[in-house]
Amino acid sequence: DIQMTQSPSSLSASVGDRVTITCRASQSISSYLNWYQQKPGKAPRLLIYATSTLPNGVPSRFSGSGSGTDFTLTVNSLQPEDFATYFCQESYSVSLTFGGGTKLEIK
Amino acid sequence: QVQLQESGPGLVKPSETLSLTCTVSGGSMNSYDWSWIRQPPGKGLEWIGYISYSGNTKYNPALKSRVTILVDTSKNQFSLNLSSATAADTAVYFCARTYTSAWGEHFDYWGQGTLVSVSS
Repeated sequence: DIQMTQSPSSLSASVGDRVTITCRASQSISSYLNWYQQKPGKAPRLLIYATSTLPNGVPSRFSGSGSGTDFTLTVNSLQPEDFATYFCQESYSVSLTFGGGTKLEIK
Repeated sequence: QVQLQESGPGLVKPSETLSLTCTVSGGSMNSYDWSWIRQPPGKGLEWIGYISYSGNTKYNPALKSRVTILVDTSKNQFSLNLSSATAADTAVYFCARTYTSAWGEHFDYWGQGTLVSVSS
């Protein structure tokens, strides 16, 4: 089974900051990596697929990069609505495993 | 705009079967796969399985022995049956549209989720 490890598990930042969240796979997954944003009591929202592709409607301040085992989600110029929990998800294996999440809190 | 809505009992007894239905509106079920994903309270997400509009299924190996997903395209619905439920199955259950690209599957539309508790 592929394990997906996110770091940090929580993060405090201010509006306007640039933040980076890391997701590490236990084995190479090429570019088979997606990111989601979840707010309390809501369903997750797709932010990025195939490592770096933004779906229509996702602001350009979000970006993704990486390959193999190490991936990053970067949010430039944090907005108040960006404070949420972020999950990565691999689409390489038959288990479609999610990371444990990174909670982004306002400082 | 595609919308998904989960429905079903909020309480299931241990050893019984957890059953949920997802109703899809605002779009056709054709050409996509349809997933169930769950989230225990305060924890992370676990993909359970998906079904295509033609009825082909793919399940998480960790749950495969207990999961059945069915589709009824005439009603624009798909369903989840999880047998032999235990307290560990207590979670918010989401249904989601699943898009398969050259880079595998991702979940682009989600239902709001429904909490199912397993308790006597």
